[in-house]
Amino acid sequence: AQSVAQPEDQVNVAEGNPLTVKCTYSVSGNPYLFWYVQYPNRGLQFLLKYITGDNLVKGSYGFEAEFNKSQTSFHLKKPSALVSDSALYFCAVRDSILTGGGNKLTFGTGTQLKVEL
Amino acid sequence: SQTIHQWPATLVQPVGSPLSLECTVEGTSNPNLYWYRQAAGRGLQLLFYSVGIGQISSEVPQNLSASRPQDRQFILSSKKLLLSDSGFYLCAWSFGRPNTEAFFGQGTRLTVV
Repeated sequence: AQSVAQPEDQVNVAEGNPLTVKCTYSVSGNPYLFWYVQYPNRGLQFLLKYITGDNLVKGSYGFEAEFNKSQTSFHLKKPSALVSDSALYFCAVRDSILTGGGNKLTFGTGTQLKVEL
Repeated sequence: SQTIHQWPATLVQPVGSPLSLECTVEGTSNPNLYWYRQAAGRGLQLLFYSVGIGQISSEVPQNLSASRPQDRQFILSSKKLLLSDSGFYLCAWSFGRPNTEAFFGQGTRLTVV
């Protein structure tokens, strides 16, 4: 079974400061990990993914994420936050071991990021 | 390039009325298709997924059903809506490989009154 946890309901950060949104996962095989962003009343937008290789993955809008196998984590980061980054962020996982489940993505409960001036 | 269309964007329906939400994908063939529901602006609950025409898998028992009459068309239906069916419904597609991301439609805000 695959699962993902986002331990923080909300993260507050001042504009210009670095931000981190946390995510941990559990899979049977190797993980495929994804980050999405959602603005109010909109669909989810793909930000970045980790498949294999370099543990630091760079994505859209200056975001990056660091894969840590020993800690089973995939935290989203940005060196300098913008007010426009305020949104709901979702971490998602797929297990590399397919169980005939249509490649289902399992999502975390989401973390609301609020960037203030 | 691929695009996904989902409509309508908003819908207000009375309790007991039927429902039909439609989702179509362009620019690819044989996609995996998904319906999610998001309650209270937070977690996503997978309702249905499909790996091919006529192949529907249900994740949770509920008042809803899904159909895939064509390769790139996915429909979410109900014969009689309940108040608890209110929510934000999202359609998504992905390639058939597990290392690929899913792409989401813009969502339908359903309010059952």
